[in-house]
Amino acid sequence: QSVLTQPPSVSGAPGQRVTISCTGSSSNIGVGYDVHWYQQLPGTAPKLLIYGNSNRPSGVPDRFSGSKSGTSASLAITGLQAEDEADYYCQSYDSSLSGRGVVFGGGTKLTVL
Amino acid sequence: QVQLVESGGGVVQPGGSLRLSCAASGFTFSTCGMHWVRQAPGKGLEWVAFIQYDGTNKYYPDSVKGRFTISRDNSKNTLYLQMNSLRAEDTAIYYCAKGQSIAAASEYWGQGTLVTVSS
Repeated sequence: QSVLTQPPSVSGAPGQRVTISCTGSSSNIGVGYDVHWYQQLPGTAPKLLIYGNSNRPSGVPDRFSGSKSGTSASLAITGLQAEDEADYYCQSYDSSLSGRGVVFGGGTKLTVL
Repeated sequence: QVQLVESGGGVVQPGGSLRLSCAASGFTFSTCGMHWVRQAPGKGLEWVAFIQYDGTNKYYPDSVKGRFTISRDNSKNTLYLQMNSLRAEDTAIYYCAKGQSIAAASEYWGQGTLVTVSS
């Protein structure tokens, strides 16, 4: 299982708001390492959606927002659109002696109903 | 514009070796750290290796440590991944990604190259 825990799936109707959680621990998110979020459409490379917990790269709509608190982070998508249907991954850094390095969540499949 | 183009994937037998390349353009390659990240069929993302901008420091997860070696040639703007003692579980699409530091986000990714380990 992944060091960062995400729900396997979430769904919402067009126009609704959905959130995707990313739960870590005191050796990664909880100790202050940044969380980043990626969107992956089928058959394509991941695309950076949020960096540094809550910052959007140029070109990413403000419908996407990120937050972090304690040992968890969240990605929120408002005004859901059909084109948002994709897999979403969170990423951070883990400093534990047993597995120091970059860690990803297991991914969350977003279905737009 | 930033471009990362992977190559070198293919089919290899268990226990075999393969070297992947990632040709970079559109940015100052010699000042940027670089990652390899893989994705097994139908699975999530897994970090494979990171190398600092000058090649002095390299990092790996336990799953590939001792078998994979990341390197770079800044004169050729090219990143490499030497993969030895390959196992069936190494079958995946391998992406190279630009990352200023090991904990920073990767805004640019290549299109990936498929490695299949099978007899």
